[in-house]
Amino acid sequence: SQQGEEDPQALSIQEGENATMNCSYKTSINNLQWYRQNSGRGLVHLILIRSNEREKHSGRLRVTLDTSKKSSSLLITASRAADTASYFCATDSGGSNYKLTFGKGTLLTVNP
Amino acid sequence: GAGVSQTPSNKVTEKGKYVELRCDPISGHTALYWYRQSLGQGPEFLIYFQGTGAADDSGLPNDRFFAVRPEGSVSTLKIQRTERGDSAVYLCASSLRGGGGELFFGEGSRLTVL
Repeated sequence: SQQGEEDPQALSIQEGENATMNCSYKTSINNLQWYRQNSGRGLVHLILIRSNEREKHSGRLRVTLDTSKKSSSLLITASRAADTASYFCATDSGGSNYKLTFGKGTLLTVNP
Repeated sequence: GAGVSQTPSNKVTEKGKYVELRCDPISGHTALYWYRQSLGQGPEFLIYFQGTGAADDSGLPNDRFFAVRPEGSVSTLKIQRTERGDSAVYLCASSLRGGGGELFFGEGSRLTVL
């Protein structure tokens, strides 16, 4: 079963614009991670945010976490065509911090 | 190698056949995971190894699926009597210690059961 649900399912923007993707989950977590997947490839880890953190930055990425609403957002600023990919949030559950549950992903298309 | 290596990258088989998928994790990573990804879905957890032992195999869908990691490095996912519904991309990942944190994924093995 999938705990995380990303929103929107698909997003199309122009190069230079910002892209925001949201993730909601159901149970308590230790941490939440975002991964990126290019078509036909494996997943690449982008960023991890712990349950006691509210915001984290990495380069052009900004992640927020609201544990009271069980939601997270991923913001990619100044998008590039190379950012075109699927983006997944993944949560562990409070009891087993090794098992990640992924959402269905957001397909981001950045048009040059 | 520098990353997680999975072979074969593509496997086409007939219903009822036996299939083995191999994963070679990053050297020194004690934790190894198998996930399955169907089209348009996120990866779903299958099994987690810590060292040689399967610490959690709760995601294996049924007893046709089995995985081993005899020397604590390379792992093999074995599927018996394959069914069309087994068609998916099988992803392997490793991490330094397990217990949370970043996973390093391979490119996956795409299995097609005709």
